[in-house]
Amino acid sequence: EAGVAQSPRYKIIEKRQSVAFWCNPISGHATLYWYQQILGQGPKLLIQFQNNGVVDDSQLPKDRFSAERLKGVDSTLKIQPAKLEDSAVYLCASSSDRNTEAFFGQGTRLTVV
Amino acid sequence: GENVEQHPSTLSVQEGDSAVIKCTYSDSASNYFPWYKQELGKGPQLIIDIRSNVGEKKDQRIAVTLNKTAKHFSLHITETQPEDSAVYFCAASTGGAQKLVFGQGTRLTINP
Repeated sequence: EAGVAQSPRYKIIEKRQSVAFWCNPISGHATLYWYQQILGQGPKLLIQFQNNGVVDDSQLPKDRFSAERLKGVDSTLKIQPAKLEDSAVYLCASSSDRNTEAFFGQGTRLTVV
Repeated sequence: GENVEQHPSTLSVQEGDSAVIKCTYSDSASNYFPWYKQELGKGPQLIIDIRSNVGEKKDQRIAVTLNKTAKHFSLHITETQPEDSAVYFCAASTGGAQKLVFGQGTRLTINP
């Protein structure tokens, strides 16, 4: 079974620029998560989708971050404009439903300079 | 909200010895406690999980124990091998994979 796919693997941008990350979850998984992992810390949940609806975005900095999951499959996470403190690994995860285990992708490492 | 504390931040053991990592949580409503292993440049990988209706769970060399009264849970790795070297994260949630709150991580090094 194919795992969670993310792209790009690495991205370097200047502050105030915009960036987008893409995630393709495991086939059939209804629940999709985006996490932010700052170096040396555990992942922090940014947003959770159930199919194409948002379940929890309480920790998403909505003034600069946005996410969508059109058609309930792939998802994109966007940052506009980026700040230096946004430098982190952005992880996508999926689960078959809300109460089962989550599987993580390899992540996108973002560096804002 | 939930807060998860993980100790130690770094752990070095000799190959073949046992390693123990401990986590405490604050929300008594939490009922799902997974452990993830993260290797360099990779995403976290679930290695074992436990739910609040169970006190202990074992899978080959890995075991997890849960003390609901004290609100802490631990990961035990026996007969450690070099490939066990990685960063390990504990997490807690009130319902499966959603709203997972992670600990700060433990960097485990197995010395040959």
